[in-house]
Amino acid sequence: DVQLVESGGGLVQPGGSLRLSCAASGFTFSSYAMLWVRQAPGMGLEWVSTLTDAGTGTHYADSVKGRFTVSRDNSKNTLYLQMNSLRADDTAVYYCAKDRTGVSGDASDIWGQGTMVIVSS
Amino acid sequence: DIQMTQSPSTLSASVGDRVTITCRASQSIVDWLAWYQQKPGKAPKLLIYEASSLESGVPSRFSGSGSGTEFTLTISSLQPDDFATYYCQQYDTYWTFGQGTKVEIK
Repeated sequence: DVQLVESGGGLVQPGGSLRLSCAASGFTFSSYAMLWVRQAPGMGLEWVSTLTDAGTGTHYADSVKGRFTVSRDNSKNTLYLQMNSLRADDTAVYYCAKDRTGVSGDASDIWGQGTMVIVSS
Repeated sequence: DIQMTQSPSTLSASVGDRVTITCRASQSIVDWLAWYQQKPGKAPKLLIYEASSLESGVPSRFSGSGSGTEFTLTISSLQPDDFATYYCQQYDTYWTFGQGTKVEIK
């Protein structure tokens, strides 16, 4: 089965750091761009970041630019999101998602179950 | 940045109703538009891509149309499993979601 499993969420103080992971299985991970999308409690979906299949191209939402870094290890079929200088408004469920095709810039056909990040003192 | 505006925000409907949700882009996105369904506590599920292409496994009662800046998602006959929140997403320039439309039981 095609699957994405996020981990690494938790409670962190404002200004702190956290690294999320997304383990992929059931497809050729290295052939697809991957995304992070978040959803604050009771709110809508917000795109956070995208990383191309080879890991050479990154895109970030303005709200996280300069604080978050997306990366991947294709040998481990894993996507990462390093989150620094965390703020209360970063509190959300973070989902990883797979590009539908091998061309970056597409809809997302597979999503993980999400991992919760709470930024609070 | 491309802004996506959905309407309505909430829609009350009954089983069997025909339901239409609209999504407007702040500039042309050609047909680079997707629709997702999300149920409480669950991840979004892709329904439609490229404005009108049905994702594999999605029931045919779901359809999408439009191009440029105006798009619609139609559910031809609402089923109990369809009560959920629906989001449009543009992927012409980066990625942007609409604010969502909650379809609730009338």
